[in-house]
Amino acid sequence: ETGVTQSPTHLIKTRGQQVTLRCSSQSGHNTVSWYQQALGQGPQFIFQYYREEENGRGNFPPRFSGLQFPNYSSELNVNALELDDSALYLCASSTGPELEAFFGQGTRLTVV
Amino acid sequence: SQQGEEDPQALSIQEGENATMNCSYKTSINNLQWYRQNSGRGLVHLILIRSNEREKHSGRLRVTLDTSKKSSSLLITASRAADTASYFCATGTTDSWGKFQFGAGTQVVVTP
Repeated sequence: ETGVTQSPTHLIKTRGQQVTLRCSSQSGHNTVSWYQQALGQGPQFIFQYYREEENGRGNFPPRFSGLQFPNYSSELNVNALELDDSALYLCASSTGPELEAFFGQGTRLTVV
Repeated sequence: SQQGEEDPQALSIQEGENATMNCSYKTSINNLQWYRQNSGRGLVHLILIRSNEREKHSGRLRVTLDTSKKSSSLLITASRAADTASYFCATGTTDSWGKFQFGAGTQVVVTP
């Protein structure tokens, strides 16, 4: 157990819909990163939040957006879902952007 | 393209044997982390090694880092069936602070 919790664990959405995924970071951690992991691939960096500000973004379109709250929990929002958005979405928290990150169990999103 | 590339893609060994996997990367790094993932679930942090370190140990795990060759290795000694998982390296680079890049992973199967 890493202390990082994600909800929901599984989700099925229809193409074109919007989805919000949630992450509660480990106590004392001020940095949250989101990753997308397609089947058989390694995780791909989406973006990172450090003390409520976006601190780096990967090669994902603007329909992927996020928030970090004062308690350092975070949300990932994806608009206009596409079939290729089907993946495991992982949240990781750490005590700083360059330090070891601890992952939650992920949310498996299926877009049909 | 991915920063870290693991080799081999898959490895099958028997309990008690050692397992070695390698990670190569392209650009200068601040640190390199190894993670384990069981059956598409969350990633478990194993070891973080900084660019000024050459070797680290944690229980049955040994990680080496050769910055001149831009490569790292993870050795699991006396493997157990419970070590069956996918193993990923993740690099933190000097030009993308806080953005860890993962390889595609090495799938390890340990048979009793």
